[in-house]
Amino acid sequence: EAGVTQFPSHSVIEKGQTVTLRCDPISGHDNLYWYRRVMGKEIKFLLHFVKESKQDESGMPNNRFLAERTGGTYSTLKVQPAELEDSGVYFCASSVGQVFSGNTIYFGEGSWLTVV
Amino acid sequence: AQSVAQPEDQVNVAEGNPLTVKCTYSVSGNPYLFWYVQYPNRGLQFLLKYITGDNLVKGSYGFEAEFNKSQTSFHLKKPSALVSDSALYFCAVRGRSGAGSYQLTFGKGTKLSVIP
Repeated sequence: EAGVTQFPSHSVIEKGQTVTLRCDPISGHDNLYWYRRVMGKEIKFLLHFVKESKQDESGMPNNRFLAERTGGTYSTLKVQPAELEDSGVYFCASSVGQVFSGNTIYFGEGSWLTVV
Repeated sequence: AQSVAQPEDQVNVAEGNPLTVKCTYSVSGNPYLFWYVQYPNRGLQFLLKYITGDNLVKGSYGFEAEFNKSQTSFHLKKPSALVSDSALYFCAVRGRSGAGSYQLTFGKGTKLSVIP
């Protein structure tokens, strides 16, 4: 069974440009999450989808970040325009059930974003 | 608000010796606790979790963790360290997001180096 896959694995962009990160969850997982780790800090929650609906986007830093989940399948996270402080690793994760019930969430390998 | 503390940024241990990676937490209600590992240039991999039941939880790759309610700790352990265990280890607790849903709150991570 394929795990959570993310693309691109690495991206270097200039300040002001746009980047779109893609995530394919594990097949059959209705719950999809985005987390981020900036250098040396904690991994922080950004957003949670249940199927195609945003369950919770309280962790999104600002309106330069836009996440979508088309048809309840894959998800994209767009950063527009990118700023230097957006640099970090963006992790996507998925789960069958929710964290509320103690379900395990499975992470992808991350998209490493560097804004210069 | 919930929090996770990993008091050691780095732990060094000799191959074959027992290892411990420490984690303490603060959360309202019953704690749901998780350990993840990030190998170099890889994503987060789930190791084990405590939801309820036996305080000693066994997980992947020979790791185990002991839940101690009175000390609010969930230390990760392995009886005999391997060089291949060298990685970044993250402790996480189920907590409330800014919007009130249950999501994972992570510690800053502990870098484990196993010396041959």
